[in-house]
Amino acid sequence: KNQVEQSPQSLIILEGKNCTLQCNYTVSPFSNLRWYKQDTGRGPVSLTIMTFSENTKSNGRYTATLDADTKQSSLHITASQLSDSASYICVVSGVTGTASKLTFGTGTRLQVTL
Amino acid sequence: DGGITQSPKYLFRKEGQNVTLSCEQNLNHDAMYWYRQDPGQGLRLIYYSQIVNDFQKGDIAEGYSVSREKKESFPLTVTSAQKNPTAFYLCASSDSYYGYTFGSGTRLTVV
Repeated sequence: KNQVEQSPQSLIILEGKNCTLQCNYTVSPFSNLRWYKQDTGRGPVSLTIMTFSENTKSNGRYTATLDADTKQSSLHITASQLSDSASYICVVSGVTGTASKLTFGTGTRLQVTL
Repeated sequence: DGGITQSPKYLFRKEGQNVTLSCEQNLNHDAMYWYRQDPGQGLRLIYYSQIVNDFQKGDIAEGYSVSREKKESFPLTVTSAQKNPTAFYLCASSDSYYGYTFGSGTRLTVV
């Protein structure tokens, strides 16, 4: 069964600190992995997308890594800001362009405090 | 600005009532999707449509219905057959696996 597991479930950090969120998946065949940021009561917004051949991708203070051999990804947030408080969702696509093959993680809820 | 618009933002449904959630996009995307989000769970696919006048059931289609009469619109009806409809509903569209965009969601509550 295709699964995406994220850890930790929740995380509290001080403003200005760095953090790393983890995503392990068992989706096969693999097409791409995406990280989304979802503010409370809003739709998810794409941060990064990586294909099999890419092992790192950055979007401002967000850097995602992918190890397709171990089926692991991480999202590193540098110099966190209060506005980073949100849920971060890892999504793995098993087949190019087919919605029914997207598998969603349950998300990591990040809270950045003063 | 191109985007995907869901309405209403909040919706209340009485027992036994059908309600329809709107989803409109001006991104010229062929494919559109409906997902349901519950606390502590990943998004689950309800229905998707890859072309006008065609749609397919997702993992949890029971109690829901859709139509795709126009490329821009993909409304979702939550019928009285859906026994636990209280959830956050998200619409999305894509033209390829790179162009996947979500709406801002509709929170449906049964009263």
